[in-house]
Amino acid sequence: SQELEQSPQSLIVQEGKNLTINCTSSKTLYGLYWYKQKYGEGLIFLMMLQKGGEEKSHEKITAKLDEKKQQSSLHITASQPSHAGIYLCGAGPYSGGGADGLTFGKGTHLIIQP
Amino acid sequence: EADIYQTPRYLVIGTGKKITLECSQTMGHDKMYWYQQDPGMELHLIHYSYGVNSTEKGDLSSESTVSRIRTEHFPLTLESARPSHTSQYLCASSEFGTDTQYFGPGTRLTVL
Repeated sequence: SQELEQSPQSLIVQEGKNLTINCTSSKTLYGLYWYKQKYGEGLIFLMMLQKGGEEKSHEKITAKLDEKKQQSSLHITASQPSHAGIYLCGAGPYSGGGADGLTFGKGTHLIIQP
Repeated sequence: EADIYQTPRYLVIGTGKKITLECSQTMGHDKMYWYQQDPGMELHLIHYSYGVNSTEKGDLSSESTVSRIRTEHFPLTLESARPSHTSQYLCASSEFGTDTQYFGPGTRLTVL
């Protein structure tokens, strides 16, 4: 089955600084999803990447997919307190994610210091 | 913003009780899912459904059961709750033909 490894596991960043979170897959990626979760709550869909080299942006968050490296990165520019939370990457079932759901990484806990 | 709802948000219950976690979506999505998430751990798929009268078990074995009598409703039932069932349960839905899933706020279950 597929495994998704996220790094770093946790990240403390001063407000206004940039940061990058990585997600590496053990198998070929056919679709990579980024979600944000506030503690104890549900997941909020951020964006989905399908093609190698694809890059998408949503407000100050940009995600890229490197198909050859089986990796995706999420970059936040000029971080704000509202960016704090847990960021999870997920892979679609055609990457061997199993059943018909998404396989998720363990998440990156992001703390923004004022 | 996704229109998917879960009730209750929090539930504390004694061992042996029967519980039903509710999940409803107003988007007309065919596919619905239940995930289990322990604190600090990744989500694991426990049940999913392609549509009415369709239910399948996910990757993680679970003692819970689900039903799909109506498109918008996908309840999860535990016949006899145990402390090992303590976890967060997240419901999600997606349109047929896509894998983008939209999640509810979750139910945090504590079994004493």
